Amino acid sequence: AQKITQTQPGMFVQEKEAVTLDCTYDTSDPSYGLFWYKQPSSGEMIFLIYQGSYDQQNATEGRYSLNFQKARKSANLVISASQLGDSAMYFCAMRGADDAGGTSYGKLTFGQGTILTVHP
Amino acid sequence: DAGITQSPRHKVTETGTPVTLRCHQTENHRYMYWYRQDPGHGLRLIHYSYGVKDTDKGEVSDGYSVSRSKTEDFLLTLESATSSQTSVYFCAISRNQGSYGYTFGSGTRLTVV
Repeated sequence: AQKITQTQPGMFVQEKEAVTLDCTYDTSDPSYGLFWYKQPSSGEMIFLIYQGSYDQQNATEGRYSLNFQKARKSANLVISASQLGDSAMYFCAMRGADDAGGTSYGKLTFGQGTILTVHP
Repeated sequence: DAGITQSPRHKVTETGTPVTLRCHQTENHRYMYWYRQDPGHGLRLIHYSYGVKDTDKGEVSDGYSVSRSKTEDFLLTLESATSSQTSVYFCAISRNQGSYGYTFGSGTRLTVV
């Protein structure tokens, strides 16, 4: 079974500063993918960044980067130069194999989420 | 144009009544999913589909059924709604390929009174 844990229910950051949102995962699959999604107060789910388990480099997408530490099973999201519009709920999610044969139906397992508040 | 739409966006229903939520996609993706979002639980998988008439249960499937008679439509039915099913329901579609994760619908806020 796959499990995602986000231990920070809420985080606060000052505008223009960097912030790290924690995510740890548990899986026995050798091949998996890790995702981060943003959910603003409007409720929509927005894809931010992806990291594959075999990727050698940490993923980056604009102001978002993923600090991937495979041995520690962590996939923390780093947001640089925070903006007021970054205030939202953030979810970490994982996709792995769904059976012993490695078949994947693309199911994502989500963490509980972290509410980020950016102060001016 | 959105590749995935959910209907209705909001619904209030009475305990014991059946409710059907609809998810419609125009992306021709094979994989479709229904999740519920509750505070403190993140998103939890209810049911998913990997093709027409091919569906399976997720983590929290009790009290829910699904049907997929066409590639583009995935229906979620609450057979007899209970207050514990008050939640926000999200449909998602996926290519299940590489860095492609989910494209989500806008969500349905369901209140069971």
